[in-house]
Amino acid sequence: KAGVTQTPRYLIKTRGQQVTLSCSPISGHRSVSWYQQTPGQGLQFLFEYFSETQRNKGNFPGRFSGRQFSNSRSEMNVSTLELGDSALYLCASSLRPGVYEQYFGPGTRLTVT
Amino acid sequence: GQQVMQIPQYQHVQEGEDFTTYCNSSTTLSNIQWYKQRPGGHPVFLIQLVKSGEVKKQKRLTFQFGEAKKNSSLHITATQTTDVGTYFCAGRRGGSQGNLIFGKGTKLSVKP
Repeated sequence: KAGVTQTPRYLIKTRGQQVTLSCSPISGHRSVSWYQQTPGQGLQFLFEYFSETQRNKGNFPGRFSGRQFSNSRSEMNVSTLELGDSALYLCASSLRPGVYEQYFGPGTRLTVT
Repeated sequence: GQQVMQIPQYQHVQEGEDFTTYCNSSTTLSNIQWYKQRPGGHPVFLIQLVKSGEVKKQKRLTFQFGEAKKNSSLHITATQTTDVGTYFCAGRRGGSQGNLIFGKGTKLSVKP
């Protein structure tokens, strides 16, 4: 069974631009969560989607948004990029929300200059 | 807000020594999960603990969930160089409704 895939793997943007990251979950997994990972803050929860609905949202500004499609694929968007948005963005999928383990993708490394 | 604290932040051990990382929450957790992230890699699920006082073993790894479901630990016996990486705990509050809150991780280095 193929794992979680994320595209692109690497991205360089300039301040003020916007970016869209994509995540394809493991086949059959309907829950997708997004995390931001930085050396200083560790893994921080962005949002979780299940059945095309956002179930939970972390403490991030409104510039961070996401959505999930009917095939469970998910995208996250960051508008008006800031230098501090440079991070590894990880997507994780699970069968359903709750007690199920999460399977992480390789991440998208975003650099904002 | 809800936090999951993890200590120590770093641990350097000689191969063969034991290693323990601790995780503490300010609130009761419905379950706790442990992940390992190798350098340059992504977090990989190790185990989940759900019951109060639960203890689970995976070869040299022993995981515990506290009686009050507010703390957890991971103990590695006789570390090997393959154990190198960052170990994260992640707690969930509020049953299936809450999201996972990750600790900041313990980075383990093993000197051969």
